[in-house]
Amino acid sequence: QQQVKQSPQSLIVQKGGISIINCAYENTAFDYFPWYQQFPGKGPALLIAIRPDVSEKKEGRFTISFNKSAKQFSLHIMDSQPGDSATYFCAASMTGNDMRFGAGTRLTVKP
Amino acid sequence: NAGVMQNPRHLVRRRGQEARLRCSPMKGHSHVYWYRQLPEEGLKFMVYLQKENIIDESGMPKERFSAEFPKEGPSILRIQQVVRGDSAAYFCASSPTKGVRKLFFGSGTQLSVL
Repeated sequence: QQQVKQSPQSLIVQKGGISIINCAYENTAFDYFPWYQQFPGKGPALLIAIRPDVSEKKEGRFTISFNKSAKQFSLHIMDSQPGDSATYFCAASMTGNDMRFGAGTRLTVKP
Repeated sequence: NAGVMQNPRHLVRRRGQEARLRCSPMKGHSHVYWYRQLPEEGLKFMVYLQKENIIDESGMPKERFSAEFPKEGPSILRIQQVVRGDSAAYFCASSPTKGVRKLFFGSGTQLSVL
């Protein structure tokens, strides 16, 4: 069963623009929401993560916005660069061993 | 400090053969997770192991799949009698502690079943 739904499936943004990727989850027991970045031929790498007790977290050009009541969270990439072109996965987990991943968004930033 | 090492990077098998995928965790990490990634899909949890123990195999198919993490050597994901539906990218991740909050992924093994 898919517990984390991610959209869009693909996204094309001009250099300098804002990339926005959205995720929705179902299980209110989730308490950790990371975003992973994956380049072709590589494994996913943790980009940024948030817990549900805060509504926003910013690290450089990357920001997570979290809406607990709507059970949604999003990744914003400001001033998008061609080097940001990758596949991005949202995920959610609760205490334990099971991390649920979204289906991924393939981001292309055009120069 | 080497990251998580997986080999081979690409593995081609014919239907009915066995596939062995290896994962060496980061130095000092004793927790290993295996995930499977199908095209256009996210990663699906398969199994969580600590040294010499399988902790959680709830995501592992009941038949043909097995995993181990011996006291010495890499973790092994073994698929017996492979079928075309086993074709996927298999990723290993390691963690210094219990839980999935600090996962470091390898580059994966792309398994192709002919």
